[in-house]
Amino acid sequence: AQKITQTQPGMFVQEKEAVTLDCTYDTSDPSYGLFWYKQPSSGEMIFLIYQGSYDQQNATEGRYSLNFQKARKSANLVISASQLGDSAMYFCAMREGRGDDKIIFGKGTRLHILP
Amino acid sequence: EPEVTQTPSHQVTQMGQEVILRCVPISNHLYFYWYRQILGQKVEFLVSFYNNEISEKSEIFDDQFSVERPDGSNFTLKIRSTKLEDSAMYFCASAGGAARNNEQFFGPGTRLTVL
Repeated sequence: AQKITQTQPGMFVQEKEAVTLDCTYDTSDPSYGLFWYKQPSSGEMIFLIYQGSYDQQNATEGRYSLNFQKARKSANLVISASQLGDSAMYFCAMREGRGDDKIIFGKGTRLHILP
Repeated sequence: EPEVTQTPSHQVTQMGQEVILRCVPISNHLYFYWYRQILGQKVEFLVSFYNNEISEKSEIFDDQFSVERPDGSNFTLKIRSTKLEDSAMYFCASAGGAARNNEQFFGPGTRLTVL
């Protein structure tokens, strides 16, 4: 079974609009962490935001926020006021258990920002 | 800001040849990882390394693969006899020390092309 599911292979969004990238996860471990990474065309993996399973509040980092709905096992990324430079591949990922465990990635969503 | 570095950025090799991919993790980190991403696919975990030994490895990480931390700074991935299907982007990551939430910091990647 997929641990991380990203159902949107591609999205097109007008510049300056907000965009929500969907992510659902599957785990029976009560302790886990959720990540979003951005991968531009140059290939590097850029960390965007982290949410711990015990965190009471949704994580925010500048224009990025994570809409964490624990009961639904959902961890959507919201980008406010999108910019042309946001065009990239976005990966949702999860780490189960200990803080040093491996990260499991979803298949990604390719986001295109239109001028 | 400290960062993970990887060399080379691109390696082209003939099938059956040995390759060594090099990584310099962030200096105070304790946990090290290799991931790979076949073109157009998701990022996959290969191996994690802590305290000079492998903590966990995936089924991809067979006898053709090995990792080493030969000195206090480098972390290497060796592929003994490359196959066509080893062509991928290989990412090194490190975590631990003062990293918030045990965030894994990724290097820029080495693109391996096996001919």
